[in-house]
Amino acid sequence: DAKTTQPNSMESNEEEPVHLPCNHSTISGTDYIHWYRQLPSQGPEYVIHGLTSNVNNRMASLAIAEDRKSSTLILHRATLRDAAVYYCILRQANQAGTALIFGKGTTLSVSS
Amino acid sequence: KAGVTQTPRYLIKTRGQQVTLSCSPISGHRSVSWYQQTPGQGLQFLFEYFSETQRNKGNFPGRFSGRQFSNSRSEMNVSTLELGDSALYLCASSLHGSGEQYFGPGTRLTVT
Repeated sequence: DAKTTQPNSMESNEEEPVHLPCNHSTISGTDYIHWYRQLPSQGPEYVIHGLTSNVNNRMASLAIAEDRKSSTLILHRATLRDAAVYYCILRQANQAGTALIFGKGTTLSVSS
Repeated sequence: KAGVTQTPRYLIKTRGQQVTLSCSPISGHRSVSWYQQTPGQGLQFLFEYFSETQRNKGNFPGRFSGRQFSNSRSEMNVSTLELGDSALYLCASSLHGSGEQYFGPGTRLTVT
C-alpha cells in the first residue's frame, strides 16, 4: 500500500482558512485520496475524496497536485468544531473491500 | 436516516473471558467493517463483511472473529481476552463496499 505523510499537528484560529497537507509520493494511478477526521470521543467521519481533479463539498475542498504526489485539504473557515485528527488515506480504485489503512494523521487545534 | 449504531458503548471484562460486540449499519448498507483503535497502534483494520461473507481480514490473531447476518447487522467476538485487547472498537458501514464509510461511535472495551 502506498503511504502518506502528514504533519503531526497544526494550529489555526477560528474563522481563518486551514490548509492540511499530505504527501503521497508513491501514489499509483488508480489510488483515490480520501480524507477522514476524528473528533474527540467520536468515530472517524468521512470528509472528502478525489482522484485527479480538485473536489469541493459542503465540508471542505481537496486540492490535488498535478503530479498527484501531494494533496491539500482545505477548510475554508475553521470553527472550534473542526478541532480533530485529520487522516489522509490512499485507497486503490479496484480494491475489493473497504479496508482503510489509517496513519497517525494531523491533530488540528483551533483557537478562538 | 439513522447512523451506525454499536452496542454496548462500554464494557469491562476480565482476562480470559470472551466478548461479543454488535453493530447495526445504516439501512441499505451491505458492507460492515471493524476497526480497533488504541493509543499505541492507532486505528487498525480488523475485518470486513459483505453480504454475509468475510471479504477482507487484517493482521489480527484468530481470537478475533466476526459474522454478518442477512439483515447486514454484524457482530465481532474476541475470545480469551488479553489486557492488550483494551481498545475502542469501531464499526463502519458503506453502501457498496467503497472507500466512503460511515463509522459508529464505537464500543470502549476495558480488560482487567
